[in-house]
Amino acid sequence: SQQGEEDPQALSIQEGENATMNCSYKTSINNLQWYRQNSGRGLVHLILIRSNEREKHSGRLRVTLDTSKKSSSLLITASRAADTASYFCATDGGSNYKLTFGKGTLLTVNP
Amino acid sequence: DGGITQSPKYLFRKEGQNVTLSCEQNLNHDAMYWYRQDPGQGLRLIYYSQIVNDFQKGDIAEGYSVSREKKESFPLTVTSAQKNPTAFYLCASSIAAQPQHFGDGTRLSIL
Repeated sequence: SQQGEEDPQALSIQEGENATMNCSYKTSINNLQWYRQNSGRGLVHLILIRSNEREKHSGRLRVTLDTSKKSSSLLITASRAADTASYFCATDGGSNYKLTFGKGTLLTVNP
Repeated sequence: DGGITQSPKYLFRKEGQNVTLSCEQNLNHDAMYWYRQDPGQGLRLIYYSQIVNDFQKGDIAEGYSVSREKKESFPLTVTSAQKNPTAFYLCASSIAAQPQHFGDGTRLSIL
């Protein structure tokens, strides 16, 4: 079963704009992670936020977590054409090993 | 450089044939995972292994088998019982509760 669900399914923006993607999940978690996937490649880990954290930054990435609403958002600021990829959230459902991935948001950044 | 190597990149299966996908890691990670990704879908967990000589079924294990005889290796066999094997297969590894590192995948098609 897929616990995380990203919204929107697809997002198209111009270079320099900000991109926001949302993730909702169903059960309690220890942490939530965001991954990026370029077409035809494996996933690359971007950022991990723990259940007791509300916000985390890494470069141009900002992640928020609201455990009361079981939701998270990923903000990419000042987007670049190279940010074009699919972005997935993943939750651990309390497990130390298993992750459950959403279906992803396809982000297209137009030059 | 440390990483995960999946081979082959492309694989074709004939009817009634078993095929094996290779996954090797030199990250010294205890845990390894196999995922299946279909177009427009997220990743679904097939099998995972927390330690050598031990593995657990994921959400879609039917028609697949694995072995974990060495820490570095976690091969996946797609058996003839898997009636819809066409997909992108991703291998990953991690230290418990830490982000997963992914290979670049094997794309399996039916002849």
